[in-house]
This record gives sequence, C-alpha cells and structure tokens, in this order.
Amino acid sequence: EAQVTQNPRYLITVTGKKLTVTCSQNMNHEYMSWYRQDPGLGLRQIYYSMNVEVTDKGDVPEGYKVSRKEKRNFPLILESPSPNQTSLYFCASSPVGLGKTYNEQFFGPGTRLTVL
Amino acid sequence: GIQVEQSPPDLILQEGANSTLRCNFSDSVNNLQWFHQNPWGQLINLFYIPSGTKQNGRLSATTVATERYSLLYISSSQTTDSGVYFCAVDHSGGGADGLTFGKGTHLIIQP
Repeated sequence: EAQVTQNPRYLITVTGKKLTVTCSQNMNHEYMSWYRQDPGLGLRQIYYSMNVEVTDKGDVPEGYKVSRKEKRNFPLILESPSPNQTSLYFCASSPVGLGKTYNEQFFGPGTRLTVL
Repeated sequence: GIQVEQSPPDLILQEGANSTLRCNFSDSVNNLQWFHQNPWGQLINLFYIPSGTKQNGRLSATTVATERYSLLYISSSQTTDSGVYFCAVDHSGGGADGLTFGKGTHLIIQP
C-alpha cells in the first residue's frame, strides 16, 4: 500500500530532551515536507526537501532540524524541545517539487507531541 | 504570501443534506487540494484539482483558476462526513515551496 508513515504517533516528553520523529514514504517521491498544526494558526510548513541532501526552511523552522540522507526518509529532529513545540506534526511527500506539473501532496497520519 | 479564505467557517447539517464549501485564493496557483481532517486528526486527500471539475462518489469539486476560487460539494451527507475540510494551495512563485492552508470549514452532520 502506498503510504507515508510517521513514528511515534503520540509522544509526551520533557523540556530539553532531544527527540526524533521519523517519516518514511514508499512511493519513490522526490519531495518531502514537515508541517505543524496549531489551534488558531492552522498548518504551517517547517522544513522541506526537494531531493536527497537538499533541504530548505519553511515558514517556522526555528527549533527544528531535518536531514535527507535517503530518498524515502525525512526525520524531524528537536534538539532541545520546548513547550511551545507542543503540536500536531505532519509529514508529507509529493512526486515532484511544487511548481511542477503534478505535485499532489500525500500526508502521514500525524504525530501528537506534548512537551512538558 | 498567498492568502486562502474558506467559507463558511462552521456548518451544521442534518444527515442527507447537501452542502457547498468555498475556497478563495489571492494569487495564481499551480496546485490546489481539498482535504478532510477526521476526528482522529488524520488528513485525508479528497481532490487534487488545480483546475476543472472532478467527482468521487458523493463528493465533487470545481476549481475556476481564472477567478481564483474552488468549490467542494458534498451530497447526501452522512455522519462520517463530519470533520474539518481544508483547502490548500501551493506557493506559486513564493519563497518556500509548500502548501498554504485555509483555516478550514468545520462540518457537523447530525443524525
């Protein structure tokens, strides 16, 4: 089944304890992205990657890191989480980079993160 | 950046009713998608529709790119249609690639 998977789905942690949320897609997509969703602010892009070893900042990158060493994986790293990073996080992938012909984005199931 | 406005913000209907959700956007787009966020928080792809009309069962969508709006039609609503419906467009010429989401329409279907 073609899909985007995220792990963990739920996580409660404490301030300052490094964590990684994994994202994997099995559709051979070039483009991958991370979003966060917050009440009243909607969904906002954190980072994106046009291909392996190519990453760039989205609208709200502060406090996050990403890497793209393999085409299928795009982990989101919080080096020192803070309570304002409590949110619902989504990973997404697309066949090609946006601005090109066919660029439908497919979303993972989401990760609910609480930072105490 | 590009602005995306959805209306109405909230909609309460009885099972079996029809509804039309609207999405207005402020600039030309290369991509427009409709999503349904279910009560468990998952974003379900409904339509990829930068222009034209598509239908999938009881749902259909139309995008008029030249007039910068899209409509999502839900016919014969069921309680499982409840949730938030988002319209999202890409950054056509924007600084960072990504989808810009509207604030959504919260739909409640009552039995």
